[in-house]
Amino acid sequence: NAGVMQNPRHLVRRRGQEARLRCSPVKGHSHVYWYRQLPEEGLKFMVYLQKENIIDESGMPKERFSAEFPKEGPSILRIQQVVRGDSAAYFCASSFGQGDEQYFGPGTRLTVT
Amino acid sequence: GEDVEQSLFLSVREGDSSVINCTYTDSSSTYLYWYKQEPGAGLQLLTYIFSNMDMKQDQRLTVLLNKKDKHLSLRIADTQTGDSAIYFCAESSGSGNTGKLIFGQGTTLQVKP
Repeated sequence: NAGVMQNPRHLVRRRGQEARLRCSPVKGHSHVYWYRQLPEEGLKFMVYLQKENIIDESGMPKERFSAEFPKEGPSILRIQQVVRGDSAAYFCASSFGQGDEQYFGPGTRLTVT
Repeated sequence: GEDVEQSLFLSVREGDSSVINCTYTDSSSTYLYWYKQEPGAGLQLLTYIFSNMDMKQDQRLTVLLNKKDKHLSLRIADTQTGDSAIYFCAESSGSGNTGKLIFGQGTTLQVKP
């Protein structure tokens, strides 16, 4: 009965490096959402994906950020050329269908030094 | 635009009731949620209410919704030290109902023994 899995749990990157965050949804779920939580703040929506499709990326920064959810394998959130302001906790959630209850993973805490 | 507001901090004594308040702006919200986040952990869904309801009770938790005032509250009866956490109110986006969640900034609940 595995829930949403995210890895790594903690990631340290130097400025200018790339960060790759992985999310494996609940088995049978084909909808994935990514959220970012800056220190002392609530979660902000970034992107919503279904298998092989980006449905809503209205919360994604225009540059350096990309997301995918391939037919096979986990969803990936990729941040290129990281900056200090990217330091945050990144949470993935999955749902069975659009608008259904979202189950959250434990998050990946990214620190940019 | 969509916005969710919460008070930032609440302190209660063990055994008392806690009431956490939330206001939202999107009148087309379909579902409203309460999540709990313990330190360093992901989000745990506590309860939710459909927008055409005004109250929902689930064991020690009572959710009240005033749709006219766009006000949501979470009451925790007989609060325990294990209830100490950050509580987030969230609404599902009404626009297109992609299911993306709009979160408040979180209320830190401190329970004193």
